[in-house]
Amino acid sequence: NAGVTQTPKFRVLKTGQSMTLLCAQDMNHEYMYWYRQDPGMGLRLIHYSVGEGTTAKGEVPDGYNVSRLKKQNFLLGLESAAPSQTSVYFCASSPYDRAKDNEQFFGPGTRLTVL
Amino acid sequence: AQSVTQPDIHITVSEGASLELRCNYSYGATPYLFWYVQSPGQGLQLLLKYFSGDTLVQGIKGFEAEFKRSQSSFNLRKPSVHWSDAAEYFCAVGASRSSASKIIFGSGTRLSIRP
Repeated sequence: NAGVTQTPKFRVLKTGQSMTLLCAQDMNHEYMYWYRQDPGMGLRLIHYSVGEGTTAKGEVPDGYNVSRLKKQNFLLGLESAAPSQTSVYFCASSPYDRAKDNEQFFGPGTRLTVL
Repeated sequence: AQSVTQPDIHITVSEGASLELRCNYSYGATPYLFWYVQSPGQGLQLLLKYFSGDTLVQGIKGFEAEFKRSQSSFNLRKPSVHWSDAAEYFCAVGASRSSASKIIFGSGTRLSIRP
């Protein structure tokens, strides 16, 4: 199993450009998450999904959109990139089982720079 | 609302010395607590978690943490650190057993190991 993978690993954008970050998991997990990590601020949740076709806003959703068309994929879109979106983006997934203690599994991250 | 405080931004300890990383949380009900580790350039890996039961929790890599409700703390400890423990450590609190709820991360503590 590859676990959680993220594409691309690095990207440089100019202000106003758009891009999509792809997250894929092969563990058949129900839940998927997008976080951003900034120095001194830990991880902040952008959006999450509790199943195929559903998404919800997290702590810092502005400027981002997401889609979960397939269970294994969770896409994060930036329609018009801004320098404030320079960050490291992490995707995570977790199973859903009320009887078990659930753990989030993280991808390796995407480092995005917006000039 | 949930919140997590990691008061130490950066800690340096000598190899072989003991380690304690502090974590204080704020939550009105019984919290679900986690410690994650992030090695340079990597995603986050779960070290240990507390949901209920014994307040001393054992994790991977020789780490343990103790939940103290009276102090709203969940400090991470290791009796003897190794150079490979150099990383960033994140404490996190969740509102329910299911990870579909938002997990709030602390700002992290960077651990350096002195040879």
